[in-house]
Amino acid sequence: DAGVTQSPTHLIKTRGQQVTLRCSPKSGHDTVSWYQQALGQGPQFIFQYYEEEERQRGNFPDRFSGHQFPNYSSELNVNALLLGDSALYLCASSPPGVETQYFGPGTRLLVL
Amino acid sequence: QQQVKQSPQSLIVQKGGISIINCAYENTAFDYFPWYQQFPGKGPALLIAIRPDVSEKKEGRFTISFNKSAKQFSLHIMDSQPGDSATYFCAASKGGGGYQKVTFGTGTKLQVIP
Repeated sequence: DAGVTQSPTHLIKTRGQQVTLRCSPKSGHDTVSWYQQALGQGPQFIFQYYEEEERQRGNFPDRFSGHQFPNYSSELNVNALLLGDSALYLCASSPPGVETQYFGPGTRLLVL
Repeated sequence: QQQVKQSPQSLIVQKGGISIINCAYENTAFDYFPWYQQFPGKGPALLIAIRPDVSEKKEGRFTISFNKSAKQFSLHIMDSQPGDSATYFCAASKGGGGYQKVTFGTGTKLQVIP
């Protein structure tokens, strides 16, 4: 059984550009959450998707947006990239009715 | 706003010793407290979790102690091994059934020396 997968593993962008990160949840999981983890810090909650809708959102600007597809996979989009957006972006999925979140390996984004 | 405070920031323990990491939370609505282990270049992996109606939970060498009145909880790693060297995050969430956002602590980097 494959775990949570994310693509790409690494990405380099320049300021002002836009980026799309992708996540496939574990089989049977219907909820996807995205987190930003700066170097040496704990993950910070960005938003959560369920039934193709954003269900909760953390303290992130509108430059951060997302989408969930009918197969439960998800995308995270970041517009107008800033240097401070450089971080590890983590996707986590959870099965119906369960609090436990299972994390993917993350996408390392570097903004130059 | 830092809702989950974690200490220490780093910890060095000898092989066979006990590693103790402490966390404190502010929001009394939190009802699920997981601990995650993260190795360099990897995503966090769930280690053990507890709910506030239980004061202690043990799984193998890992034990969570929970003090609801003090709003504190801790992770104890017994017989620490070099393979336990990783960063540990406490976390808290509210709202059951998958409808929750997880608030993480700042992490503790554990090094277990032979």
